[in-house]
Amino acid sequence: GAGVSQSPSNKVTEKGKDVELRCDPISGHTALYWYRQSLGQGLEFLIYFQGNSAPDKSGLPSDRFSAERTGGSVSTLTIQRTQQEDSAVYLCASSLDLTVSYGYTFGSGTRLTVV
Amino acid sequence: AQSVTQLGSHVSVSEGALVLLRCNYSSSVPPYLFWYVQYPNQGLQLLLKYTSAATLVKGINGFEAEFKKSETSFHLTKPSAHMSDAAEYFCAVRAYNNNDMRFGAGTRLTVKP
Repeated sequence: GAGVSQSPSNKVTEKGKDVELRCDPISGHTALYWYRQSLGQGLEFLIYFQGNSAPDKSGLPSDRFSAERTGGSVSTLTIQRTQQEDSAVYLCASSLDLTVSYGYTFGSGTRLTVV
Repeated sequence: AQSVTQLGSHVSVSEGALVLLRCNYSSSVPPYLFWYVQYPNQGLQLLLKYTSAATLVKGINGFEAEFKKSETSFHLTKPSAHMSDAAEYFCAVRAYNNNDMRFGAGTRLTVKP
């Protein structure tokens, strides 16, 4: 597509439920990133994928968080047993290449509210 | 590891006045530096980037930023603010040799008529 697409745009879930957030990057972009934006804070790096390499999971806050990227394209971020502190906007970004000085193209985000 | 500090979580200017948003970075290797803008309910949009070429970088919407190594700064400026500039601005840094981009906490710009 023309841009990075994220779905759903808003998600309200009950504490303890699992949620899945989807990101469809720009076609041809080999790198894909997930960030979390909490109220009044900057963007917190979660995970990134580059082609077929093993993902860099160093930013995932706990083992309740996981992500996968199928076929080098669409990515799903899964949060198990959601907690209220998981409430945030989850942003996905993609980039053409890691070895050159590209910035990222961001999606509009998924606003997650855990009640 | 890289990091950025944005001085001032909120900046308010009058329409037509100079915009100055401050960003200082920390990096043990040559950095790439970025400014992003986020309008309400939207994702981040790249304003401009420094990638070791010219130290004065011009971006979209009349914004520019100057890389000053001696001051470890990359402040964002615009000579004359417009109402449409009201948004959240994020400074970001990544090392030239890795993919880990770190963002500042953001500065919310308000433009008064």
